[in-house]
Formats: sequence, C-alpha cells, structure tokens
Amino acid sequence: AQTVTQSQPEMSVQEAETVTLSCTYDTSESDYYLFWYKQPPSRQMILVIRQEAYKQQNATENRFSVNFQKAAKSFSLKISDSQLGDAAMYFCAVLGSNYQLIWGAGTKLIIKP
Amino acid sequence: EAGVVQSPRYKIIEKKQPVAFWCNPISGHNTLYWYLQNLGQGPELLIRYENEEAVDDSQLPKDRFSAERLKGVDSTLKIQPAELGDSAVYLCASSLQGSTEAFFGQGTRLTVV
Repeated sequence: AQTVTQSQPEMSVQEAETVTLSCTYDTSESDYYLFWYKQPPSRQMILVIRQEAYKQQNATENRFSVNFQKAAKSFSLKISDSQLGDAAMYFCAVLGSNYQLIWGAGTKLIIKP
Repeated sequence: EAGVVQSPRYKIIEKKQPVAFWCNPISGHNTLYWYLQNLGQGPELLIRYENEEAVDDSQLPKDRFSAERLKGVDSTLKIQPAELGDSAVYLCASSLQGSTEAFFGQGTRLTVV
C-alpha cells in the first residue's frame, strides 16, 4: 500500500521570501509519479508540479521546485519569492501503476503581507 | 477550453434523503474520477471510469453510493440514503487515457443535517 505524510499542518511565510513544504511517502513500486497540488478556497485542485520517479533531476516550474530524494522517499516543495496568491492548501500525492492517486493530509500555506 | 464542470456547488439535505452530483469532464478525456474529500484531509478515490466502464470502484460504499457514466461522457454520483457522515466535498476529475495529469472540478460541498 502507498502512503503519503505531510507533517506540517500549517506554514507561514513573509511575502517575497522562500518556504519549503515537506512530504514523505512510502511505496513498493519502482515506477511512480509524485505531485504537488494547490487547493485554494475555490476548492479546485490545481497541479503545481510533477516528478517522475525515474528521473534524478528535480522538477522546476518557475518559482516552484522540488527536492526529490528517492532513497529517503522524500519530496519537498520549495516556493521562491512567495506571493499572496500562493496562499492555499498544498497536497502531496503519489501515483502508482494502478492510476490511483494517494494523497497526504495537506499543508495550509499562509502568506504574510 | 472549458474545464471540468461540477454541479451543484453546494447542497444541503436532511439525513436519509437522496442526493446526486453531476460532472462534465473536459472534452476528449476518457478517464473520469470521483473523489471524496473530508474536512482537513486529502481526497480519497471513490471510483474511476475508463470511458463508460468503472475500472476501479473498490472504495465506493456500494450499499448507499452509486455512480454512472452513460455514453462515456457525463457522470452522476448518487447517495441514497445520505448519512451525517457523508458531509464532505465531492470532487470530480478527468484525464486523457493513460495520462498522469488529472484536471479537477471545483467540487460539490455536501452538508447533511
């Protein structure tokens, strides 16, 4: 069975600064995908960034980057130059061969102006 | 391009009453998912469709929940009878067959009183 753990229920950061959200996971599969999704108050899940487990290079999308440590089963999200619009719930998820996304409990990100 | 459309956005019903949620996926997306998201938690898969076939309904409580996807496009999720514990957000998502990227609707927030 796959599991995802997000140990930070809430994080806050000053606008324009950098914040890192933590995620650890467990899976017995060798080929899988990892995701960070953002869920604003509108409730719509929005894909932030995706990482293929077979790729060693960390994924980046503009101000968002990940630190993927496969051996440690760690997948943290770094947000640089935080903006007010980044405030939301952030969910880490893992996708295996059964195409079922397993999600963490989420981290609430607060941006202080 | 229109995204995943769900209705209604909000629904309040009394316990033991039936309720139905509707989802229109992105045009051309063969795969459709229904997720349940309890407050403060990540989503949990209820059912996954490939076209009109339910390929994974192992987590759907079949005593009171049912779903259909006629013609492989729109889908309806029904609860009958609703219980207080069914209060949650019901998310619909769709993707191209075999794709790892799912697109989500804004969900339906159900309150059972």
